[in-house]
Amino acid sequence: QSALTQPASVSGSPGQSITISCTGTSSDVGYNNYVSWYQQHPGKAPKLIIYDVSNRPSGVSNRFSGSKSGNTASLTISGLQAEDEADYSCSSYTITNTLYVFGTGTKVTVL
Amino acid sequence: QLQLQESGPGLVTPSETLSLTCTVSGGSITSSGYYWGWIRQPPGKGLEWIGSLYYGASAYYNPSLKSRVTTSVDTSKNQFSLRLSSVTAADTAVYWCARQKGGGSFSFDFWGQGTLVTVSS
Repeated sequence: QSALTQPASVSGSPGQSITISCTGTSSDVGYNNYVSWYQQHPGKAPKLIIYDVSNRPSGVSNRFSGSKSGNTASLTISGLQAEDEADYSCSSYTITNTLYVFGTGTKVTVL
Repeated sequence: QLQLQESGPGLVTPSETLSLTCTVSGGSITSSGYYWGWIRQPPGKGLEWIGSLYYGASAYYNPSLKSRVTTSVDTSKNQFSLRLSSVTAADTAVYWCARQKGGGSFSFDFWGQGTLVTVSS
């Protein structure tokens, strides 16, 4: 089971919206609605920001939103802020014997 | 507020066994509906799920590591542990313990601060 595919980097200016894709297969992203997204600042632990494709944990800004179409999930950050500069990783349950897989990770840069 | 804290040696000799413990506070590892997992991240690379356990049930491991991984639970100390045998330099990484939602979500909602483990002689 390979890692889910994400773009290595995405950038945007403050106030803009950006979207990060997460491409898997019909055995993982396309199979279920158990896609999650994590935000990770340098030297810190990942923080859950989206679960079950589009749900936000309590306390997470509504500027973060998730969606899915087929084998590709997406994370959109609206009204980009300097504090959003971080690494973002998707993850999914998979029906293969790997059971759980993360994405390759995307570095978001705020210009 | 749930808190998790990893502990263990920061340096492990090649071919030896890496051992880490995660101490949970603010909640019980016997709580239903939650798994307790281990995740790692080699320097400059992405996250990798190592395995998860559910109290009173089976543990689940990444097939790429399964032959070398063992997990256990100590309910008296509210801790769970990871052992990774026959380590090589490729096992050098930051290791996290985390709580994993059950019931289908499988997302990791609470994480420890992480601990860097270096495999070197």
